[in-house]
Amino acid sequence: AQSVTQPDIHITVSEGASLELRCNYSYGATPYLFWYVQSPGQGLQLLLKYFSGDTLVQGIKGFEAEFKRSQSSFNLRKPSVHWSDAAEYFCAVGAGAGTALIFGKGTTLSVSS
Amino acid sequence: EADIYQTPRYLVIGTGKKITLECSQTMGHDKMYWYQQDPGMELHLIHYSYGVNSTEKGDLSSESTVSRIRTEHFPLTLESARPSHTSQYLCASRQADYSPLHFGNGTRLTVT
Repeated sequence: AQSVTQPDIHITVSEGASLELRCNYSYGATPYLFWYVQSPGQGLQLLLKYFSGDTLVQGIKGFEAEFKRSQSSFNLRKPSVHWSDAAEYFCAVGAGAGTALIFGKGTTLSVSS
Repeated sequence: EADIYQTPRYLVIGTGKKITLECSQTMGHDKMYWYQQDPGMELHLIHYSYGVNSTEKGDLSSESTVSRIRTEHFPLTLESARPSHTSQYLCASRQADYSPLHFGNGTRLTVT
């Protein structure tokens, strides 16, 4: 069965510094992958998605993610973090038709000034 | 900008009460989902529907039930609330299997 691991529970980054959030998945075939962000008291908002093709995908708010099949990873990056990026970030994997998305446990991002 | 709406946003209710959490979407999506979210945990799928009159239980055992009489409406009901039901409930929908999920803002339920 497919699964998603986000190894970092909580990360603190200085404002203006770069960010990388890790995501590893377990699935035999090529999955489709998503990153979502959740602000306190809100639902999840889609940041970006990967289905196929170019392994570097661009999303909203200046985020990007790179799919690495050899490492079963889909890490999220941002070159310069803003205080408004403080939130919880979820990686999700879909395995194909008829299956729901599987989510990781999330990574909480704090931004220090 | 949300096209999927959940009410109420917050609910505090006593043990044994019957409650219904509402979820509506205006995007015409056939596929709708209910997830349960607890702090520090992954989202757990508790119910889903692939269209009118279609409902299925998800991976996480739940004492709740759902119905899908209209495409846009997917309410979740707890017949007798218990403190163990205290959680955040997120409703989502999508157009097709490979499409992203669109989430509502959630209902935070507290059962005292």
